[in-house]
Amino acid sequence: RKEVEQDPGPFNVPEGATVAFNCTYSNSASQSFFWYRQDCRKEPKLLMSVYSSGNEDGRFTAQLNRASQYISLLIRDSKLSDSATYLCVVNMEAGTALIFGKGTTLSVSS
Amino acid sequence: DTGVSQNPRHKITKRGQNVTFRCDPISEHNRLYWYRQTLGQGPEFLTYFQNEAQLEKSRLLSDRFSAERPKGSFSTLEIQRTEQGDSAMYLCASSPWDRGSTEAFFGQGTRLTVV
Repeated sequence: RKEVEQDPGPFNVPEGATVAFNCTYSNSASQSFFWYRQDCRKEPKLLMSVYSSGNEDGRFTAQLNRASQYISLLIRDSKLSDSATYLCVVNMEAGTALIFGKGTTLSVSS
Repeated sequence: DTGVSQNPRHKITKRGQNVTFRCDPISEHNRLYWYRQTLGQGPEFLTYFQNEAQLEKSRLLSDRFSAERPKGSFSTLEIQRTEQGDSAMYLCASSPWDRGSTEAFFGQGTRLTVV
């Protein structure tokens, strides 16, 4: 079983749609959780951290369920510029290796 | 430019040759990571350093791979006797761990093609 598993995608949605990505992780001792965004042929960049209480950044909402070892990312009112691959990332301990999922590709069309 | 810098950006090499990549992290970031990414996959962890100490190596890092960070600043990743399966994007990232941040900042990567 892979340490971090994500929806396979791709997700093809129209502008303005709401889309949700799911992710599960296998190691219950994982401590930190993130969503990274990677544009085609570019490096990954941090989108947002994920906290147990849930957190929101504009149109983006992240949720963490430690009991189910489940992480989600909700994007509301999708924009063309949201088209990218979204990587679910977990971390056992601050400063140690980030473990990435395979990523889910989102394509937003007009 | 104060971001993570990687050189070269592209490398084409013949099977069996040795290659070396360089990563210059963001100044004062004491954690430096190497990852490998192939098409359709997320980055796979290879190894990381805190200052000059190599703290963890993935089992993906075979004995043909070696990484160094001799002065705790830039790092090199060497692949000896390259194989076609080594073709990938090699990403370097750095993190200001001692300031409590876990965010990793990635360089643009070195794309290796083994022919």
